Amino acid sequence: AQTVTQSQPEMSVQEAETVTLSCTYDTSESDYYLFWYKQPPSRQMILVIRQEAYKQQNATENRFSVNFQKAAKSFSLKISDSQLGDAAMYFCAYVEGFGNEKLTFGTGTRLTIIP
Amino acid sequence: DAGVTQSPTHLIKTRGQQVTLRCSPKSGHDTVSWYQQALGQGPQFIFQYYEEEERQRGNFPDRFSGHQFPNYSSELNVNALLLGDSALYLCASSLRNRYEQFFGPGTRLTVL
Repeated sequence: AQTVTQSQPEMSVQEAETVTLSCTYDTSESDYYLFWYKQPPSRQMILVIRQEAYKQQNATENRFSVNFQKAAKSFSLKISDSQLGDAAMYFCAYVEGFGNEKLTFGTGTRLTIIP
Repeated sequence: DAGVTQSPTHLIKTRGQQVTLRCSPKSGHDTVSWYQQALGQGPQFIFQYYEEEERQRGNFPDRFSGHQFPNYSSELNVNALLLGDSALYLCASSLRNRYEQFFGPGTRLTVL
């Protein structure tokens, strides 16, 4: 069974600084997708960034980027120039390839931004 | 373009009762998935509906059932509620065979 592990229950960062959230996963599949979701206190789960396993290039979305290490089964999220609005729970998630849409989530990392 | 909507926002029930939660998918989406998120945990997959049929199911008992209507909206039903069913229930919609899911704001269920 696929599992997703987030080993950092809580992280904090000074405003405008950079922070990296860790995620590892376990799968025997070769075709899959990885995501980082943000869940603020409003509870709405918001997609931050996605990575297709077949792509070697790391995904980037504005201040958010990932470090995808397929052999190591590692998928970390880097947030640059942290802003107060980045404070939230961050969940790493995995889904198998085409045709299987069940998301498997990690336990989350609570990110605090220090003004 | 309306996103995923869920109702009600909050719900309080007592043990043994039954509850129905509702979800309307994002415009153009045909697949609905339901997740249970216990306090301090990541969401757990309950099941997924497409073409009005349950296509995938997670490790949840038969007390959890669902339905999808011709307009793609969906209901989650939970019978014989237990205290452990207290959680945030999230609905997500997608296009069939597309991996990106869009989430609703959730329904907070409290079982007393």
